[in-house]
Amino acid sequence: GQNIDQPTEMTATEGAIVQINCTYQTSGFNGLFWYQQHAGEAPTFLSYNVLDGLEEKGRFSSFLSRSKGYSYLLLKELQMKDSASYLCAVRDSNYQLIWGAGTKLIIKP
Amino acid sequence: DTEVTQTPKHLVMGMTNKKSLKCEQHMGHRAMYWYKQKAKKPPELMFVYSYEKLSINESVPSRFSPECPNSSLLNLHLHALQPEDSALYLCASSQGLEYSPLHFGNGTRLTVT
Repeated sequence: GQNIDQPTEMTATEGAIVQINCTYQTSGFNGLFWYQQHAGEAPTFLSYNVLDGLEEKGRFSSFLSRSKGYSYLLLKELQMKDSASYLCAVRDSNYQLIWGAGTKLIIKP
Repeated sequence: DTEVTQTPKHLVMGMTNKKSLKCEQHMGHRAMYWYKQKAKKPPELMFVYSYEKLSINESVPSRFSPECPNSSLLNLHLHALQPEDSALYLCASSQGLEYSPLHFGNGTRLTVT
């Protein structure tokens, strides 16, 4: 079966750094996506990795290791508005998106 | 601001009503999607259109009927829904089915009474 695992909930402090991990087992791999979703709102695209390595976009970075079936999303200089759910999704060999259950990130002052 | 526009934002309907959800994008994307999302769950794929043709139908009940009038528009027709169909309905688009990310609209919050 296809499976994506990410922690259910994480807590971090404003101004700090947090890393959200995602491990996956899918039938084929055609890219990994990270989305941010605030409660009651639509998911917002954050990053896309298809090759191994680190992709940096301002305060957010995403890393991929295809051999390990592993990715992480790194958030730096945390702000209160970063409190949200972070969803990891993998595009499989049929080009369908397989979604993780999401990680709820709580930022404390 | 999202470039995928969904209307209405909120909808309350009875089990005997017929209503439609609408989605529009002007990014030139060739793939459009309908997702259903329950609270604290990831989005659940319902339908995918590629080049205005239905390419994926994830065994969705016939009370949900998608329509793609042209490359910019996507509708979801609703009829005889059940209370358990209450959810956030999300429309998304992407350049193609293969490598490009999905861009989501703000969703329609549907309540079936």
